[in-house]
Amino acid sequence: GENVEQHPSTLSVQEGDSAVIKCTYSDSASNYFPWYKQELGKGPQLIIDIRSNVGEKKDQRIAVTLNKTAKHFSLHITETQPEDSAVYFCAAGRGANNLFFGTGTRLTVIP
Amino acid sequence: EPEVTQTPSHQVTQMGQEVILRCVPISNHLYFYWYRQILGQKVEFLVSFYNNEISEKSEIFDDQFSVERPDGSNFTLKIRSTKLEDSAMYFCASSEGGAEGYTFGSGTRLTVV
Repeated sequence: GENVEQHPSTLSVQEGDSAVIKCTYSDSASNYFPWYKQELGKGPQLIIDIRSNVGEKKDQRIAVTLNKTAKHFSLHITETQPEDSAVYFCAAGRGANNLFFGTGTRLTVIP
Repeated sequence: EPEVTQTPSHQVTQMGQEVILRCVPISNHLYFYWYRQILGQKVEFLVSFYNNEISEKSEIFDDQFSVERPDGSNFTLKIRSTKLEDSAMYFCASSEGGAEGYTFGSGTRLTVV
């Protein structure tokens, strides 16, 4: 089955700096890679996703890159703000199947 | 914006008791899922449900677990005889088209004592 690894487990950045979170996956058949933000006491919220036919996708301060050959994908947050502080999960999936999640990254943005 | 609703938000139960966790998926979604998250760990897949039957389940989803869609709106997860290690956050999710576009509920925190 699919195995998703995520690094780092914790990340602290100064407000205004960039944050990068990296994930690798094992199943070359995976073709859908979402990123979720989880705030305390809430369920994961989709913030951006990318499909395997695209190498990069951007939405305002958030971008995701995908390297299919190396089987890794990354989340980039620019101009971080205190409200970006949360746990971020990457995931990999395909078609109608379930998602496999990474272990999460706790991001702290220091004002 | 449409939401996935889960009840209760917190359930405390004695070991060996049965619990039913309830979910109301988004009305036009066709795929339904249960995931769990043990405190501080990754979100783990339990089961997916489509066209009124289980489409996939993980090894966690053993004979103690069952799912049901008893009417047109609810999607339930039953644990027949709870164990201490079943303590976790349980998330329901639904989507229009499989893995893409999941919407998660806010979860039920299950505590087995």
